[in-house]
Amino acid sequence: RKEVEQDPGPFNVPEGATVAFNCTYSNSASQSFFWYRQDCRKEPKLLMSVYSSGNEDGRFTAQLNRASQYISLLIRDSKLSDSATYLCVVPVSGGYQKVTFGTGTKLQVIP
Amino acid sequence: EAGVAQSPRYKIIEKRQSVAFWCNPISGHATLYWYQQILGQGPKLLIQFQNNGVVDDSQLPKDRFSAERLKGVDSTLKIQPAKLEDSAVYLCASSLARGAEAFFGQGTRLTVV
Repeated sequence: RKEVEQDPGPFNVPEGATVAFNCTYSNSASQSFFWYRQDCRKEPKLLMSVYSSGNEDGRFTAQLNRASQYISLLIRDSKLSDSATYLCVVPVSGGYQKVTFGTGTKLQVIP
Repeated sequence: EAGVAQSPRYKIIEKRQSVAFWCNPISGHATLYWYQQILGQGPKLLIQFQNNGVVDDSQLPKDRFSAERLKGVDSTLKIQPAKLEDSAVYLCASSLARGAEAFFGQGTRLTVV
C-alpha cells in the first residue's frame, strides 16, 4: 500500500455543489495531517490542518478517521475559484517527520 | 514576512549538462525540503534537511543529484548530468519544525532538451 493515496479525479462539479475527497494513508503512527491547495502552475499552499476532532473553516471541513486511516475534505457551495488540485499531506513518523504528499485530486467547478 | 525564495524561476538546458538551483528558506525555519514535481503528479520529496543535516534523502538519485545546506540556512540542489526525465518543477519548502506546516517557494521549472 502506498504511503498516501488519493483519487486523481478530475472531479467536475457544478457551482453550488458539495464535493468530498478522501485520502488514505498507510502509517498508523502518523499524527498530523494537512490539506494543501495547488493552482495550475503555482506552488502548493496550506488550505487547512486536520485535527483529531475535525476542522471547519467556512465552506471547508476536514475530518480524520483513524480507524480506517483516511482523511477527508468536504467543500460546500462550490465556487468557480475552488477549481484547483487538492493535495493531502501526511507526515510519516520514524525518528524524523518525513512529509509525504499524495498525488492530488483535481477539482473543476463548472458554471 | 518574507517567503521562501528560489532562483532561477525557469531553466532550459541540454541533456548531460549541469544545473543548480538555490533556495533561501523563511528565517528561523529549521527544516528545509526539496521536492520534484512532474506535470500531473504530486510533489515527490527528494531530500529533507534539519538545520544543516540530512534527515531523509532516500528518493534522491544520488548518482546525479546532490544537495547541501551550508550553515543551516540557504540550500542548493544540483543535477549533474541532467537527463530528459529530470524535466520538472523543483520546489523548495521550509517549516518551523519537522512535521509542521510547510511553506513553499514558487519553484524552478526545469526543461531538459
